[in-house]
This record gives sequence, structure tokens and C-alpha cells, in this order.
Amino acid sequence: DIVLTQSPALAVSLEQRATISCKTSQNVDNYGISYMHWYQQKPGQQPKLLIYEGSNLASGIPARFSGSGSGTDFTLTIDPVEADDIAIYYCQQSKDYRTFGGGTKLELK
Amino acid sequence: EVQLVESGGGLVQPGASLKLSCVASGFTFSDYWMSWVRQTPGKTMEWIGDIKYDGSYTNYAPSLKNRFTISRDNAKSTLYLQMSNVRSEDTATYYCTTMMVPGLMDAWGQGASVTVSS
Repeated sequence: DIVLTQSPALAVSLEQRATISCKTSQNVDNYGISYMHWYQQKPGQQPKLLIYEGSNLASGIPARFSGSGSGTDFTLTIDPVEADDIAIYYCQQSKDYRTFGGGTKLELK
Repeated sequence: EVQLVESGGGLVQPGASLKLSCVASGFTFSDYWMSWVRQTPGKTMEWIGDIKYDGSYTNYAPSLKNRFTISRDNAKSTLYLQMSNVRSEDTATYYCTTMMVPGLMDAWGQGASVTVSS
């Protein structure tokens, strides 16, 4: 299994930048595509797709969200952070089966 | 608007079987791969499996493939998850998702809660 590791929590101030990392135990790139996706889950709601294939913004997602990285190191950036962004963020790979990271809870400082 | 509505959850005894359903609307169901994902009370996310748009291929998490079966009825726009010999560790919220491409879960239902307890 490919294991995805995220920090459990990140505290950030409103209007500042949040950087959430995801490290994988194996390379999740293939033929120039990163099989890494990001989801947001607000309290009491289902997850929502934010970023797919490393850096592509999903439909309807604000440009404050961006994804970067390749290989085994990936980052989700929120800039600037708004109050509505308080949620848990999950990374997920689809290179080999599908596995999720443990989630990073974004909190306000 | 894509809508996915799961049902069939509840309290079930260890060792029993349970079948979840997911009724889809707002898109052409037979054009999409679908998947099931579960989330434990501790918020851990676990992929269960995928099914191809025509039902001809399924792909499961190795740890679950012996007890869980995914199927679909395109005429009814409905996805199913058959769970057998359930255990306490199967207690979770079960989500169905669409997949625009295999492995990418682009729309999620609101989830069905399953509790396994005697």
C-alpha cells in the first residue's frame, strides 16, 4: 500500500497563507501525471474535491486554493485563508489502488 | 446538479450482512465509474472499491474484497454495496462517489451511517 502522511493540524490566522503537506511512501507520478488529489471536509458535511492530479482546480473551487508538488511530496496552499476554509483537508492517491492521508485539521490562530 | 443519496445504514449485529444503496440523479449514471469510501468515527478515510460504468469491472481494497461486493443497476441509476460478516471495525459512515476518471472522486453523497454492535 502507498501510505500518505499529513500533519494532524495546522493553525493559521485569517488572511494569511496556509500550506498543507502530504508525503507519500512511493512515487505517485506516472507519464507526467501526478495521481494526487485533495479534498475538503467541513464539519457535518461530505468531502468535496478541491484539486485533482496534483495541481488542477476542480470546478467551482476558488482560486485561493492551489496544489503543487510531484513524486512523493505534495502541497495544498490556501492564500488567503478565509473563515469558511476551516475544515479537514485530505490528500488521496490513485496511482496504486486508492489511499487517503490521515487529514489535516485547519484551525484559526 | 449531481445528487447521490445513500440509504440502508443502521445498527447491525456482528456477523450479519447489510446492503447499502446509492441513488444517483442529475447526470447520466451509466457514463460514470462509481466508488464507495468509508470514514470511521475517528475521521479516517478508507477506499472500499470502484465499479466501471457498465458494471463489467470492479476493483477492491485488498483488505475488504473478501467481504464486500459492489454492484450497480444502470436502469435504476443505483449503486450498491453488499457487506457480509460485518465486524465492529466496519462501523463508519459510507459514502458513494462519482469518478470522472478511475480513482478521482469528484462528487460525494451525504453518507450512510453503519454501526456494528451487539
